[in-house]
Amino acid sequence: QSALTQLPSASGSPGQSVTISCTGTSSDVGGYNYVSWFQQHPGEAPKVMIYEVYKRPSGVPDRFSGSKSGNTASLTVSGLQAEDEAEYYCSAYAGNGVFVFGTGTKVTVL
Amino acid sequence: VQLQESGPGLVKPSQTLSLTCTVSGGSISSSSYYWSWIRQPAGKGLEWIGRRYTTGTTTYNPSLESRVTISVDRSQNQLSLKMTSVTAADTAVYYCARVDMARFFFDSWGQGTLVTVSS
Repeated sequence: QSALTQLPSASGSPGQSVTISCTGTSSDVGGYNYVSWFQQHPGEAPKVMIYEVYKRPSGVPDRFSGSKSGNTASLTVSGLQAEDEAEYYCSAYAGNGVFVFGTGTKVTVL
Repeated sequence: VQLQESGPGLVKPSQTLSLTCTVSGGSISSSSYYWSWIRQPAGKGLEWIGRRYTTGTTTYNPSLESRVTISVDRSQNQLSLKMTSVTAADTAVYYCARVDMARFFFDSWGQGTLVTVSS
């Protein structure tokens, strides 16, 4: 069970969009539509932003959207705001009760 | 639902780490959720440790399985984690989290508790 691969960093100016990718295998990301995304600010617990690839929990702005193609999932943050600066992690179900997280991407708002 | 981790903040190498997660505002016996432990070393990413269902079904991260036990105390509405033979590499913030078992995602998290392994 290996961690899902995310690029270490991404950035954008306020109002722009940024897309984060999360690459796994056919046994996790590609095998199930159970990919979720978490936002984590320093010193805080992760907060779910997307589940089941593209669904948003109540209270999460529609600026956050998710998608998946093959073994790669993506999170797009549109209309970047200062409060979007955080670490983002993907997570996927890998079958047999096993979960795996991504390596994390630090999003910087320029 | 609210989750609150508790336990010793300092554990000596080779000893056993023991943590408790108290669940309030919901039942740990619910058939709709799993309960998980996740950890995060300082400055590093999240690592899933394992999960337990109310029936007793338990699954662990293969890399930790030989040292980890997750259990539930229904009378106290608590989830527990025991990790044996700890080393400095086990120093991390430990989170408990609830897993929506229909949608397979971590929908509620505790605030986390820092455990340092040091002599």
